[in-house]
Amino acid sequence: EDQVTQSPEALRLQEGESSSLNCSYTVSGLRGLFWYRQDPGKGPEFLFTLYSAGEEKEKERLKATLTKKESFLHITAPKPEDSATYLCAVQSNRDDKIIFGKGTRLHILP
Amino acid sequence: GAVVSQHPSWVICKSGTSVKIECRSLDFQATTMFWYRQFPKQSLMLMATSNEGSKATYEQGVEKDKFLINHASLTLSTLTVTSAHPEDSSFYICSAQLGGNTDTQYFGPGTRLTVL
Repeated sequence: EDQVTQSPEALRLQEGESSSLNCSYTVSGLRGLFWYRQDPGKGPEFLFTLYSAGEEKEKERLKATLTKKESFLHITAPKPEDSATYLCAVQSNRDDKIIFGKGTRLHILP
Repeated sequence: GAVVSQHPSWVICKSGTSVKIECRSLDFQATTMFWYRQFPKQSLMLMATSNEGSKATYEQGVEKDKFLINHASLTLSTLTVTSAHPEDSSFYICSAQLGGNTDTQYFGPGTRLTVL
């Protein structure tokens, strides 16, 4: 069964304190792994798509990496405006369905 | 680019009434749209996949007669919650797939449904 597990469930950091969010996945043939940011009461905002192990993508203070078993979202010198829930999702080769993890609630303290 | 809108952003209705939620892709054509629901602090749960001009494909456990989906054009999909009950109260989010070489889904802002 395809599965996505994100850790930690919640994370509080001081402004400027870098850290990483983890997304572990089990899927029968990875078609793509997606990272989204979701603010309270809003729909998810697309961040990255990763397709193969070893791939990396960056956007401002965020960098996503991918291995055959997990993905990391690295946050460098975060700011309070980076506070949000970060969602990881995977899509398998078997069908088009995208399975989401429960997310990591990130809170950056000023 | 890749903007998806939803209307309304929130709705409160009485038990037994029907509610229609619209999802529009504003600057691209989406052959496939998806409907999700999300409970507080929970992940998004796919309800159905909607393809333009054809019947929606519903996930196991989702009642197709209760959650009516219409994908009449390449830019519009609607979800109608029929005879809504308090347990249908949730955050409903649609997404649209850009198509082509990418499977990335772009999400709407969501609709908060509260059934009294």
